Amino acid sequence: DAMVIQNPRYQVTQFGKPVTLSCSQTLNHNVMYWYQQKSSQAPKLLFHYYDKDFNNEADTPDNFQSRRPNTSFCFLDIRSPGLGDAAMYLCATSRDWTSTSTDTQYFGPGTRLTVL
Amino acid sequence: TQLLEQSPQFLSIQEGENLTVYCNSSSVFSSLQWYRQEPGEGPVLLVTVVTGGEVKKLKRLTFQFGDARKDSSLHITAAQPGDTGLYLCAGVSFGNEKLTFGTGTRLTIIP
Repeated sequence: DAMVIQNPRYQVTQFGKPVTLSCSQTLNHNVMYWYQQKSSQAPKLLFHYYDKDFNNEADTPDNFQSRRPNTSFCFLDIRSPGLGDAAMYLCATSRDWTSTSTDTQYFGPGTRLTVL
Repeated sequence: TQLLEQSPQFLSIQEGENLTVYCNSSSVFSSLQWYRQEPGEGPVLLVTVVTGGEVKKLKRLTFQFGDARKDSSLHITAAQPGDTGLYLCAGVSFGNEKLTFGTGTRLTIIP
Protein backbone atom coordinates (compact mmCIF):
# COMPACT_ATOMS: atom_id res chain seq x y z
CA ASP A 1 0.00 0.00 0.00
CA ALA A 2 1.33 3.39 -0.96
CA MET A 3 2.24 5.46 2.08
CA VAL A 4 3.40 8.70 0.47
CA ILE A 5 1.55 9.56 -2.70
CA GLN A 6 2.48 12.27 -5.13
CA ASN A 7 0.33 13.61 -7.93
CA PRO A 8 0.83 13.97 -10.73
CA ARG A 9 3.87 11.80 -11.44
CA TYR A 10 4.70 13.94 -14.46
CA GLN A 11 3.80 17.60 -14.89
CA VAL A 12 4.46 19.80 -17.87
CA THR A 13 3.98 23.54 -17.55
CA GLN A 14 4.89 26.61 -19.50
CA PHE A 15 7.45 29.19 -18.52
CA GLY A 16 5.80 31.51 -16.00
CA LYS A 17 2.59 29.50 -15.62
CA PRO A 18 1.83 28.64 -11.99
CA VAL A 19 1.82 24.99 -11.07
CA THR A 20 0.84 23.04 -7.95
CA LEU A 21 2.22 19.67 -6.96
CA SER A 22 0.41 17.48 -4.47
CA CYS A 23 1.55 15.11 -1.74
CA SER A 24 -0.57 12.98 0.57
CA GLN A 25 0.36 10.49 3.26
CA THR A 26 -1.41 7.65 5.01
CA LEU A 27 1.16 7.39 7.82
CA ASN A 28 -0.25 10.16 10.04
CA HIS A 29 3.25 11.57 10.34
CA ASN A 30 3.87 14.95 11.93
CA VAL A 31 6.57 16.14 9.57
CA MET A 32 6.33 16.63 5.82
CA TYR A 33 9.19 17.75 3.58
CA TRP A 34 9.59 18.99 0.03
CA TYR A 35 12.83 18.39 -1.84
CA GLN A 36 14.03 19.42 -5.26
CA GLN A 37 16.28 16.98 -7.08
CA LYS A 38 17.97 17.84 -10.34
CA SER A 39 19.43 15.25 -12.63
CA SER A 40 22.09 13.05 -10.98
CA GLN A 41 22.19 15.28 -7.91
CA ALA A 42 21.22 14.72 -4.30
CA PRO A 43 17.83 15.95 -3.09
CA LYS A 44 17.85 19.54 -1.85
CA LEU A 45 15.47 20.47 0.95
CA LEU A 46 13.15 23.36 0.09
CA PHE A 47 11.02 23.49 3.26
CA HIS A 48 9.24 21.35 5.79
CA TYR A 49 6.28 21.39 8.13
CA TYR A 50 6.13 20.10 11.67
CA ASP A 51 2.37 19.84 11.97
CA LYS A 52 1.33 23.34 10.90
CA ASP A 53 4.65 24.95 11.76
CA PHE A 54 6.31 25.95 8.48
CA ASN A 55 10.11 26.03 8.12
CA ASN A 56 11.64 27.53 5.01
CA GLU A 57 15.24 26.87 3.98
CA ALA A 58 17.25 30.09 3.73
CA ASP A 59 18.14 29.55 0.08
CA THR A 60 14.70 28.48 -1.15
CA PRO A 61 13.55 31.00 -3.78
CA ASP A 62 10.45 33.07 -3.02
CA ASN A 63 8.95 31.55 -6.16
CA PHE A 64 8.34 28.38 -4.15
CA GLN A 65 5.52 28.26 -1.62
CA SER A 66 3.88 25.48 0.34
CA ARG A 67 0.58 24.77 2.03
CA ARG A 68 -0.43 22.09 4.49
CA PRO A 69 -4.19 22.26 5.00
CA ASN A 70 -4.28 19.12 7.18
CA THR A 71 -2.05 16.32 8.45
CA SER A 72 -2.45 14.23 5.33
CA PHE A 73 -1.86 16.73 2.55
CA CYS A 74 0.89 19.10 1.56
CA PHE A 75 1.18 21.18 -1.60
CA LEU A 76 4.09 22.77 -3.41
CA ASP A 77 3.19 25.88 -5.39
CA ILE A 78 5.59 27.29 -7.96
CA ARG A 79 4.31 30.73 -8.76
CA SER A 80 6.28 31.48 -11.92
CA PRO A 81 8.27 28.45 -13.06
CA GLY A 82 11.49 29.11 -14.88
CA LEU A 83 13.50 26.73 -17.02
CA GLY A 84 15.82 26.19 -14.08
CA ASP A 85 12.96 24.83 -11.99
CA ALA A 86 12.66 21.72 -14.12
CA ALA A 87 13.47 18.89 -11.74
CA MET A 88 12.10 15.96 -9.77
CA TYR A 89 10.17 17.16 -6.73
CA LEU A 90 10.13 14.73 -3.84
CA CYS A 91 7.81 14.73 -0.87
CA ALA A 92 8.83 12.93 2.31
CA THR A 93 7.37 12.37 5.76
CA SER A 94 8.68 11.40 9.16
CA ARG A 95 6.88 10.61 12.39
CA ASP A 96 8.94 13.08 14.33
CA TRP A 97 12.10 15.11 13.94
CA THR A 98 14.75 12.76 12.63
CA SER A 99 17.23 14.22 15.07
CA THR A 100 15.24 13.11 18.10
CA SER A 101 14.90 9.52 17.10
CA THR A 102 16.00 7.03 14.55
CA ASP A 103 12.84 7.73 12.60
CA THR A 104 13.45 7.75 8.94
CA GLN A 105 12.01 9.86 6.19
CA TYR A 106 9.69 8.04 3.83
CA PHE A 107 9.80 9.37 0.31
CA GLY A 108 7.11 9.51 -2.31
CA PRO A 109 7.81 8.51 -5.91
CA GLY A 110 8.28 12.12 -6.96
CA THR A 111 6.78 14.43 -9.55
CA ARG A 112 8.93 15.18 -12.56
CA LEU A 113 8.35 18.76 -13.64
CA THR A 114 9.10 19.90 -17.17
CA VAL A 115 9.05 23.61 -18.00
CA LEU A 116 8.60 24.53 -21.65
CA THR B 1 27.11 23.68 6.63
CA GLN B 2 27.64 19.97 6.93
CA LEU B 3 28.91 18.32 3.79
CA LEU B 4 28.80 14.63 2.95
CA GLU B 5 31.12 13.60 0.16
CA GLN B 6 30.53 10.28 -1.53
CA SER B 7 33.07 8.41 -3.58
CA PRO B 8 33.20 7.31 -6.21
CA GLN B 9 30.69 9.54 -7.96
CA PHE B 10 30.18 6.98 -10.73
CA LEU B 11 30.96 3.27 -10.70
CA SER B 12 30.38 0.74 -13.43
CA ILE B 13 31.37 -2.88 -12.78
CA GLN B 14 30.66 -6.38 -14.01
CA GLU B 15 28.06 -8.60 -12.41
CA GLY B 16 29.59 -10.72 -9.67
CA GLU B 17 32.25 -8.25 -8.61
CA ASN B 18 32.49 -6.62 -5.20
CA LEU B 19 32.45 -2.89 -4.56
CA THR B 20 32.61 -0.33 -1.77
CA VAL B 21 31.06 3.13 -1.69
CA TYR B 22 32.27 5.71 0.80
CA CYS B 23 30.52 8.57 2.54
CA ASN B 24 32.77 11.04 4.35
CA SER B 25 32.31 14.19 6.36
CA SER B 26 34.18 16.41 8.78
CA SER B 27 31.01 16.66 10.86
CA VAL B 28 29.66 14.25 13.45
CA PHE B 29 26.21 12.79 12.88
CA SER B 30 23.80 11.26 15.37
CA SER B 31 22.78 8.73 12.74
CA LEU B 32 23.34 8.03 9.12
CA GLN B 33 21.06 6.52 6.54
CA TRP B 34 21.65 4.91 3.17
CA TYR B 35 19.09 5.15 0.38
CA ARG B 36 18.88 3.65 -3.09
CA GLN B 37 17.05 5.55 -5.77
CA GLU B 38 16.03 4.12 -9.13
CA PRO B 39 15.36 6.32 -12.15
CA GLY B 40 12.03 8.12 -11.91
CA GLU B 41 11.41 7.02 -8.33
CA GLY B 42 11.94 8.42 -4.85
CA PRO B 43 14.77 7.25 -2.59
CA VAL B 44 14.10 4.06 -0.67
CA LEU B 45 15.70 3.57 2.73
CA LEU B 46 18.15 0.68 2.97
CA VAL B 47 19.49 1.06 6.49
CA THR B 48 19.98 3.42 9.42
CA VAL B 49 23.17 3.22 11.49
CA VAL B 50 23.27 4.92 14.86
CA THR B 51 26.20 3.71 16.95
CA GLY B 52 29.84 4.49 16.14
CA GLY B 53 31.48 1.37 14.73
CA GLU B 54 28.14 -0.26 14.01
CA VAL B 55 27.97 -2.80 11.20
CA LYS B 56 24.68 -3.83 9.62
CA LYS B 57 24.11 -6.42 6.96
CA LEU B 58 21.28 -6.58 4.48
CA LYS B 59 21.74 -9.73 2.37
CA ARG B 60 24.74 -8.90 0.15
CA LEU B 61 25.03 -5.33 1.43
CA THR B 62 27.18 -4.46 4.44
CA PHE B 63 27.00 -1.01 6.01
CA GLN B 64 29.47 0.39 8.50
CA PHE B 65 29.33 3.57 10.56
CA GLY B 66 32.72 5.00 11.45
CA ASP B 67 33.86 4.97 15.06
CA ALA B 68 33.81 8.77 15.16
CA ARG B 69 30.40 8.91 13.42
CA LYS B 70 31.78 11.07 10.63
CA ASP B 71 31.86 8.52 7.85
CA SER B 72 30.23 5.39 6.55
CA SER B 73 30.74 2.75 3.92
CA LEU B 74 28.54 0.47 1.88
CA HIS B 75 30.02 -2.77 0.60
CA ILE B 76 28.21 -4.91 -1.95
CA THR B 77 29.29 -8.50 -2.49
CA ALA B 78 28.70 -10.25 -5.81
CA ALA B 79 26.92 -7.30 -7.39
CA GLN B 80 23.83 -7.99 -9.48
CA PRO B 81 22.12 -5.90 -12.17
CA GLY B 82 19.29 -5.23 -9.71
CA ASP B 83 21.77 -3.29 -7.57
CA THR B 84 21.98 -0.60 -10.24
CA GLY B 85 20.86 2.80 -8.99
CA LEU B 86 21.81 6.02 -7.27
CA TYR B 87 23.07 5.40 -3.74
CA LEU B 88 22.69 8.27 -1.32
CA CYS B 89 23.96 8.56 2.20
CA ALA B 90 22.22 11.04 4.47
CA GLY B 91 23.25 12.19 7.91
CA VAL B 92 21.21 13.52 10.81
CA SER B 93 23.00 16.08 12.93
CA PHE B 94 22.56 16.51 16.65
CA GLY B 95 19.91 19.12 17.34
CA ASN B 96 18.99 19.48 13.68
CA GLU B 97 15.87 17.91 12.30
CA LYS B 98 17.04 17.85 8.72
CA LEU B 99 18.78 15.19 6.66
CA THR B 100 21.99 16.21 4.96
CA PHE B 101 22.32 14.22 1.78
CA GLY B 102 25.58 13.07 0.31
CA THR B 103 26.63 13.84 -3.22
CA GLY B 104 25.51 10.42 -4.44
CA THR B 105 27.10 7.44 -6.17
CA ARG B 106 25.61 6.26 -9.41
CA LEU B 107 26.21 2.52 -9.67
CA THR B 108 25.79 0.49 -12.85
CA ILE B 109 26.13 -3.29 -12.82
CA ILE B 110 26.82 -4.73 -16.23
CA PRO B 111 25.32 -8.20 -16.84
